[in-house]
Amino acid sequence: AQKVTQTQTSISVVEKTTVTMDCVYETRDSSYFLFWYKQTASGEIVFLIRQDSYKKENATVGHYSLNFQKPKSSIGLIITATQIEDSAVYFCAMRESSGSWQLIFGSGTQLTVMP
Amino acid sequence: EAAVTQSPRSKVAVTGGKVTLSCHQTNNHDYMYWYRQDTGHGLRLIHYSYVADSTEKGDIPDGYKASRPSQENFSLILELASLSQTAVYFCASRGAETLYFGSGTRLTVL
Repeated sequence: AQKVTQTQTSISVVEKTTVTMDCVYETRDSSYFLFWYKQTASGEIVFLIRQDSYKKENATVGHYSLNFQKPKSSIGLIITATQIEDSAVYFCAMRESSGSWQLIFGSGTQLTVMP
Repeated sequence: EAAVTQSPRSKVAVTGGKVTLSCHQTNNHDYMYWYRQDTGHGLRLIHYSYVADSTEKGDIPDGYKASRPSQENFSLILELASLSQTAVYFCASRGAETLYFGSGTRLTVL
């Protein structure tokens, strides 16, 4: 069965620094898709970035990038030049290519960016 | 303009009562989902639907029913609400690459 694990419950960083959030996953599929979402203090959930398992190049969107280490079943989210507004809960999620289209989520990491 | 709209934003229900949470999307998406979020946990899938008049069970369907009367609307029904169903519920529709979420409904069962 597929599983997504985020072991970091919370992280605090100083503004303008770089932060990495960890995520490991379990799947038996050879093809799968990995996602990161951000949940703001208001509760809104927003899609940030996605990595397809067959792609070797790490995805990058704005100041978000991924560190995809397939042999380790790991997909880290890197935020560079953090801003106060990046304070939020970040969720990692996975979808297997087989079966129905379902996202399985990790438990989330609370990021606090301090001035 | 919000493409996935949930109502109500919050609700207080009594144990044993019936609760209906509504979701409306203007994305023209076929797939819609209901997730539950508990404090300290991620999102867990309750029910989903890929076509009107058809619903499928997710990972935690017990105690919940779903209804998809049209492509745009997807409801989550708690026939006999229980204390353990206190949570925040999110509806989502599926685009080409990912899910688009509503703002959530905070349900408190007393």
